[in-house]
Amino acid sequence: RKEVEQDPGPFNVPEGATVAFNCTYSNSASQSFFWYRQDCRKEPKLLMSVYSSGNEDGRFTAQLNRASQYISLLIRDSKLSDSATYLCVVNIGTGGFKTIFGAGTRLFVKA
Amino acid sequence: DAGVTQSPTHLIKTRGQQVTLRCSPKSGHDTVSWYQQALGQGPQFIFQYYEEEERQRGNFPDRFSGHQFPNYSSELNVNALLLGDSALYLCASSLSGRVPDTQYFGPGTRLTVL
Repeated sequence: RKEVEQDPGPFNVPEGATVAFNCTYSNSASQSFFWYRQDCRKEPKLLMSVYSSGNEDGRFTAQLNRASQYISLLIRDSKLSDSATYLCVVNIGTGGFKTIFGAGTRLFVKA
Repeated sequence: DAGVTQSPTHLIKTRGQQVTLRCSPKSGHDTVSWYQQALGQGPQFIFQYYEEEERQRGNFPDRFSGHQFPNYSSELNVNALLLGDSALYLCASSLSGRVPDTQYFGPGTRLTVL
């Protein structure tokens, strides 16, 4: 079983749609959680950190459920520019951590 | 505020050769992590450097080694290159002790092994 699992997609949605990505992790020593986006042949860019209380940044909402070891990302009112690969990321340990990436979920937003 | 920089951008080597990749962290960051990303995959953690020492390591063979300098910049060395080492190599920096330990990535070095 992979340490971080994501639905690989692809997700094909029209502009304006709401889309949800899910991610599960297996290591209970996981301490920090993030969503990154990666455009083709570019580096990953931080989208948002994820907290148990949930956090929102504009059209993006992330949620962490530690009991279920589950992370989610919701994108509302999708834009063409949201087309990218979304990576679920988990840091294991503190004061020296290992980072585990999911394989990514590909999103295509169509006009 | 300078972000994470990496050099070179692209590199072509042949099997059996050795390669050195370089990374300068974001201003104010003291921790550098290296990743290998094969086409269509998520990045794989190679190792992390802090205070000039390797602090964490992923499942990579000893052919992969690194170094961190007093100015926090870092090098990744790969010996005895294999065809399978062809990938995008990413460097990320962070600030130790900060929670969450958010990492910022450089643009990467694309290595091709022929």
